[in-house]
Amino acid sequence: DAKTTQPPSMDCAEGRAANLPCNHSTISGNEYVYWYRQIHSQGPQYIIHGLKNNETNEMASLIITEDRKSSTLILPHATLRDTAVYYCIVRVVLPSLTFGQGTILTVHP
Amino acid sequence: EAQVTQNPRYLITVTGKKLTVTCSQNMNHEYMSWYRQDPGLGLRQIYYSMNVEVTDKGDVPEGYKVSRKEKRNFPLILESPSPNQTSLYFCASSFGPTSEQFFGPGTRLTVL
Repeated sequence: DAKTTQPPSMDCAEGRAANLPCNHSTISGNEYVYWYRQIHSQGPQYIIHGLKNNETNEMASLIITEDRKSSTLILPHATLRDTAVYYCIVRVVLPSLTFGQGTILTVHP
Repeated sequence: EAQVTQNPRYLITVTGKKLTVTCSQNMNHEYMSWYRQDPGLGLRQIYYSMNVEVTDKGDVPEGYKVSRKEKRNFPLILESPSPNQTSLYFCASSFGPTSEQFFGPGTRLTVL
């Protein structure tokens, strides 16, 4: 699996967009980029995933660079409830996921 | 309500006493997995199952067993628990190999 690199922590003001970066320079052509988050010690929650194209759903947008070596998760209007650890995961088509350390996003008033 | 349930949510036990953590999903998902989460190590997969009677090892399978006799259930068995298995455990399920995984609420296990 391609290794991912994320900043250990980020801050964001409530109501502003949160942009969480992820580097995956060794990604291969058949590997997807997944984003999950974990609030405190609850079960991780799926956010979004993509292969090549940018993706958007009701929670977030995923921007993948053309060379696929990095991506950005965008929470368009962050709220206090978005404070969590965000995990970027790169994986081939398999139901197994390996979570790294992630980025601790703190949304402040 | 679509969900993954785990029982028990909290368990304190002693070394060597066999235990089972149950996992059940009501979404008719093919795929199910078990993970453990430890401080500084993130979540690591223990075992996964792609269908009934089909299971395979994840990254840290030592000391664990699983079975998938029914589609909805995927119990995690610790035959002889040891203190290094003290951890927070999550069960997850998904419809397909690229589908989102739904996680259970977690089971906090302490082995004395």
